[in-house]
Amino acid sequence: GESVGLHLPTLSVQEGDNSIINCAYSNSASDYFIWYKQESGKGPQFIIDIRSNMDKRQGQRVTVLLNKTVKHLSLQIAATQPGDSAVYFCAETWSADGLTFGKGTHLIIQP
Amino acid sequence: NAGVTQTPKFRVLKTGQSMTLLCAQDMNHEYMYWYRQDPGMGLRLIHYSVGEGTTAKGEVPDGYNVSRLKKQNFLLGLESAAPSQTSVYFCASSYGGGYGYTFGSGTRLTVV
Repeated sequence: GESVGLHLPTLSVQEGDNSIINCAYSNSASDYFIWYKQESGKGPQFIIDIRSNMDKRQGQRVTVLLNKTVKHLSLQIAATQPGDSAVYFCAETWSADGLTFGKGTHLIIQP
Repeated sequence: NAGVTQTPKFRVLKTGQSMTLLCAQDMNHEYMYWYRQDPGMGLRLIHYSVGEGTTAKGEVPDGYNVSRLKKQNFLLGLESAAPSQTSVYFCASSYGGGYGYTFGSGTRLTVV
C-alpha cells in the first residue's frame, strides 16, 4: 500500500489566484517531507521541504504547511502563473532508505 | 556540474531482450535510487543503494537487477524485458534520508 497520497488528481485554478494542493500521509514516524514539481517530459524538481519539528515553511511564492495531528501536508502557491502548470508530488521519509511518493496532483492554469 | 545523468533517454525493446540503464552522479552522494513512473501511479522505488558495493530492494524489484560497482554509478538491468516494464525510469541520488535528493531527466522505455 501507499503511505502518501494526494486528495485530488487534478486541480484547475485561474491565473493569478492562489493554489492549494493537499496531501495526506499515514506514517506517523515520517520526519521529513518534500514537495516536487514535475513538468512534462522532465524529472521531478525540488520545490520546498519541511521537517517534522516545524509546521510551516515559506519559500518564494510557495508555502508548505504540516499538520502532524491529522497527518496532512499542503502546498500553497501564491499568484499562480502559467509556468506553475505541472504535476505536484508530495514525498515523505522516515528512514535513510529514501522517499515515498504520492500519486501526484496535476495543476492546470486557466487563463 | 551535471548532477544526475541518465542514459539512454529513450529505448524500444522487444519482449525477452535485455538492456542496462546507466545512472551517473557527480555530487559524491552515498545514496542512489531507481524509480519507475507509470500513469496515475506516481514514482515507485525499484532498488536503491546506500553506498558503493551495496544494493537493496525497493517496492517493485521483480524483473530488475542493479549494481553499484563505483560510487558515482548505479546500473539498472532488465534481463528479459516484458511489456509490463514499459515505463519511465528515473534515477536519483541523495545524501541519505531524503536530503539533497536530485533526479535525472528519465529514460522512457517501451517494451513491445
